Amino acid sequence: AQKITQTQPGMFVQEKEAVTLDCTYDTSDQSYGLFWYKQPSSGEMIFLIYQGSYDEQNATEGRYSLNFQKARKSTNLVISASQLGDSAMYFCAMRVFSNSGYALNFGKGTSLLVTP
Amino acid sequence: DSGVTQTPKHLITATGQRVTLRCSPRSGDLSVYWYQQSLDQGLQFLIHYYNGEERAKGNILERFSAQQFPDLHSELNLSSLELGDSALYFCASSELGSMSTDTQYFGPGTRLTVL
Repeated sequence: AQKITQTQPGMFVQEKEAVTLDCTYDTSDQSYGLFWYKQPSSGEMIFLIYQGSYDEQNATEGRYSLNFQKARKSTNLVISASQLGDSAMYFCAMRVFSNSGYALNFGKGTSLLVTP
Repeated sequence: DSGVTQTPKHLITATGQRVTLRCSPRSGDLSVYWYQQSLDQGLQFLIHYYNGEERAKGNILERFSAQQFPDLHSELNLSSLELGDSALYFCASSELGSMSTDTQYFGPGTRLTVL
């Protein structure tokens, strides 16, 4: 079964500091995609960044970057220079072909609070 | 703004009733996915449509059904509603739907409250 694990229910970070949100996954497939989404208190799901299983370089997107360690099956999200607006739930998700087709399989999320 | 629209934003109804949630995908996207987010179950995949055809089913109850129309908008029908159906329902769209690399963009969600 495809599984996503986010072990940090909640994290605190001070404004302007960097923070790392952990995510591990479990799949026996060679081809898969890893995604991070942000869900602010308003409820919408915002796509942040993507890492493909065959990508050799870590993905970066502005202040977001991934620390992708394929052998350890982990894809940690690094947010640099945290801002108050980064306070939100963050979900790691994996997309791999399964009985559910190519649906996203989500972790339980990490709640991030950025303090002044 | 992801480009995916969902209506209505909020819906309050009573047990036993039937509701329809509507979704319009991003321009050019052929795939539509429906997800349910609840406190106890987290984010769960319900169903996937590609260019009008059902492609995959997840944890979708028999009381729920969906379809994708020729203009690619989709509707999720929830019937015989129960208190436990109260949740945030998301629609997401992607360009293709047949590759693990295909990014899904989410709509703002419909918050359903069943009283």
